Amino acid sequence: EDQVTQSPEALRLQEGESSSLNCSYTVSGLRGLFWYRQDPGKGPEFLFTLYSAGEEKEKERLKATLTKKESFLHITAPKPEDSATYLCAVRRLGGKLIFGQGTELSVKP
Amino acid sequence: NAGVMQNPRHLVRRRGQEARLRCSPMKGHSHVYWYRQLPEEGLKFMVYLQKENIIDESGMPKERFSAEFPKEGPSILRIQQVVRGDSAAYFCASSPGTSGGEEQYFGPGTRLTVT
Repeated sequence: EDQVTQSPEALRLQEGESSSLNCSYTVSGLRGLFWYRQDPGKGPEFLFTLYSAGEEKEKERLKATLTKKESFLHITAPKPEDSATYLCAVRRLGGKLIFGQGTELSVKP
Repeated sequence: NAGVMQNPRHLVRRRGQEARLRCSPMKGHSHVYWYRQLPEEGLKFMVYLQKENIIDESGMPKERFSAEFPKEGPSILRIQQVVRGDSAAYFCASSPGTSGGEEQYFGPGTRLTVT
């Protein structure tokens, strides 16, 4: 059965304190791994798509990496405005996304 | 280029009433997906539609729920005879085509409250 597990469930950081979020997955026929950011009361905002092991993508203070079994979202020198829930999802052939439970990130000034 | 639009943003229904949720995809996108986010739970896939076709409805409850994406106009998610357990945030996403692994862009959601 396809499954996505994110850890930790919640993460509290001080401003400038770098860290990583983990997304472990089991899926047959991976057709992309996606990272989204969701702020309270809003829809998920697309961040990255990764397609194959070894691939990396960066955007401002965020960097996403992918292996055959997991993905990491690295946050370098975070700021309070990076506080949000970060969602990981996998896609098989067919279209639907299977989401993890998310990691709630809080960055304190 | 406007993003995915959903309306209404908030909807209150009494038990037994019908709820209709609308979604207009991004310009140029012909694929629509509906997801549900229950309180304290993650996003769950419900249905995947293209114009005038349901491609995958494996996540839809067997009863009371239906979805359509007509040739003209928005996609509609319809919930008949709502119950309190239907209270949730319903999100629509759209993507441009059929190639594997492409991004889905989400709307702001409709928050349904059943009283």
